[in-house]
Amino acid sequence: AQKVTQAQTEISVVEKEDVTLDCVYETRDTTYYLFWYKQPPSGELVFLIRRNSFDEQNEISGRYSWNFQKSTSSFNFTITASQVVDSAVYFCALQLNFGNEKLTFGTGTRLTIIP
Amino acid sequence: DTAVSQTPKYLVTQMGNDKSIKCEQNLGHDTMYWYKQDSKKFLKIMFSYNNKELIINETVPNRFSPKSPDKAHLNLHINSLELGDSAVYFCASSQGLAGGIRYEQYFGPGTRLTVT
Repeated sequence: AQKVTQAQTEISVVEKEDVTLDCVYETRDTTYYLFWYKQPPSGELVFLIRRNSFDEQNEISGRYSWNFQKSTSSFNFTITASQVVDSAVYFCALQLNFGNEKLTFGTGTRLTIIP
Repeated sequence: DTAVSQTPKYLVTQMGNDKSIKCEQNLGHDTMYWYKQDSKKFLKIMFSYNNKELIINETVPNRFSPKSPDKAHLNLHINSLELGDSAVYFCASSQGLAGGIRYEQYFGPGTRLTVT
């Protein structure tokens, strides 16, 4: 069975600081996908990124970057120059490529950006 | 245009009642899902349908019954509501597995169900 661990329950940083959200996953499958979702205070779930298990290249999108390391089963998310609008709960999730369609979520990290 | 929509957004009802939540997606996706988010923000899948066929049925009480009249709709009916059913219910849709690629899921705005 697969599992996703987000050990950081809550993080607070002052605006403009950089912050990294950790995600560690477990699966016996070799082919899988990892995702990050954002849930702002308004409640909706917003898709941020998808990464497959064969692509270990880091990705950057504006102030957001993701570091995928299969050796440590981690898929960490960094926000540089944080802004108040980044305040949200962030979820990491895992889905196998074959068989079980289930998207397994971590417990989320609540990020608060202090102005 | 809303991609995944749910109605109602809020639902307050008494224990023992039966209620339904509707979900529609206009993304042309083949796969739709229902998730439950509890008060601690934990998200757990309940059901998944692909082309109107049930493919995932997690350990959900029989009081919960999904219905998919067509690919664009997946409704959730709940019988004999209990206090513990209070949660936010999210519908989602996805292209699923296409061309060997597992695509992301897009979520509706959620339905906050409160059972009193």
